[in-house]
Amino acid sequence: DIQMTQSPSTLSASVGDKVTITCRASQSISGWLAWYQQKPGEAPKLLIYQASTLESGVPSRFSGSGSGTEFTLTISCLQPDDFATYYCQQYNTYSTFGPGTKVEV
Amino acid sequence: QAPLQQWGAGLLKSSETLSLTCAVYDGSFSGYYWSWIRQFPGRGLEWIGEISQSGDTNYNSFLTSRVTISTDKSKNQFSLRLNSVTAADTAVYYCARGRGGDGYFFDLWGRGSLVTVSS
Repeated sequence: DIQMTQSPSTLSASVGDKVTITCRASQSISGWLAWYQQKPGEAPKLLIYQASTLESGVPSRFSGSGSGTEFTLTISCLQPDDFATYYCQQYNTYSTFGPGTKVEV
Repeated sequence: QAPLQQWGAGLLKSSETLSLTCAVYDGSFSGYYWSWIRQFPGRGLEWIGEISQSGDTNYNSFLTSRVTISTDKSKNQFSLRLNSVTAADTAVYYCARGRGGDGYFFDLWGRGSLVTVSS
């Protein structure tokens, strides 16, 4: 099975900061990676798929990059609504999620 | 009306069977794969399995001996059954729509159902 890791586990940031989260796969997943945002009490929300394609309606301050085993999610200018937990998901072979990165004040 | 609505028993005892159903109300039932995903207390998300509208299924290898996902096309619904539950199955269970091709990311989610298993 493909394992996913994320770093950091928790990230302290301020409004206006540029934030980068890293996701690594235990084997190559090509570009079959998605990113989600989750707020307490809510279901995850799809942000990016195929490593770098922004889902419709998602602000352009979110971007994704990478291929193979290493991927990044970048928030170019952190907004108050962006404080949340972010998960990556590989869908090269069925589906596996990363453990999450909490972005906090 | 929420596009995915889910329901089922929220409190179970060890060895009982978990049963949840998800109804698709946005007209998109055909042509997609439909998944169940759970989230353990504290964060971790785990994919349980998926089903197509025609009934083809795939399951997480860790759960395949205990899980069944089925579909009722006439009602645009799909269901999850997980046998012989233990406290380790305590989680929020989500239904979700899979989009993509050979593999699927999830663009539409239910609101989640908390299932607690007591010993």
